[in-house]
Amino acid sequence: DIVMTQGALPNPVPSGESASITCQSSKSLLYSDGKTYLNWYLQRPGQSPQLLIYWMSTRASGVSDRFSGSGSGTDFTLKISRVEAEDVGVYYCQQFLEFPLTFGSGTKLEIK
Amino acid sequence: QVKLLQSGAALVKPGASVKMSCKASGYTFTDYWVSWVKQSHGKSLEWIGEIYPNSGATNFNEKFKGKATLTVDKSTSTAYMELSRLTSEDSAIYYCTRRALTTVAPFDYWGQGVMVTVSS
Repeated sequence: DIVMTQGALPNPVPSGESASITCQSSKSLLYSDGKTYLNWYLQRPGQSPQLLIYWMSTRASGVSDRFSGSGSGTDFTLKISRVEAEDVGVYYCQQFLEFPLTFGSGTKLEIK
Repeated sequence: QVKLLQSGAALVKPGASVKMSCKASGYTFTDYWVSWVKQSHGKSLEWIGEIYPNSGATNFNEKFKGKATLTVDKSTSTAYMELSRLTSEDSAIYYCTRRALTTVAPFDYWGQGVMVTVSS
């Protein structure tokens, strides 16, 4: 199985500052079609996960442009610019290259 | 709008089975895979498996083969997951979610989750 490893944040993050969440995969997620099959989700407290970013850097519909995804085949970053109170929650990366689909352990974001 | 409405919380005894539902609306049910995801208390997300409503084809995480059974009722746009031989390790929140038919589509909508508690 592909293992997804996420880094921690130096919580709490001051409101208005930027935060970067890292994710590393045990196998390259770059496919032969040129796409990288890495997604990001946010799970706010008490809610279901919601899609933020797919194919490593494409924002999902309705997602603020304060969220951006980048990376290589195995190392990825989700950047949140000007963090706000509504960004609080746990962020998960997920690989979509092969079954079983796997998620990272999650990175918690708290705001000061 | 797209909605995935899941059944209510369940309290079940060890060794028993539980069947939960996920009713889809706002889109063509047969155009999307329905996946199920487990979240144990305070922990991360585990993909259980998925079903293609049009044919009943499934893909499973090996870890959940023999534990989870996935079915659909196309007439009511409802997906079901049955978990068997329950133990305390099965106590968790279970989400249904959907993804487009292409192999590498993300999970774009999620149900509200079903809390399953296994206790005598």
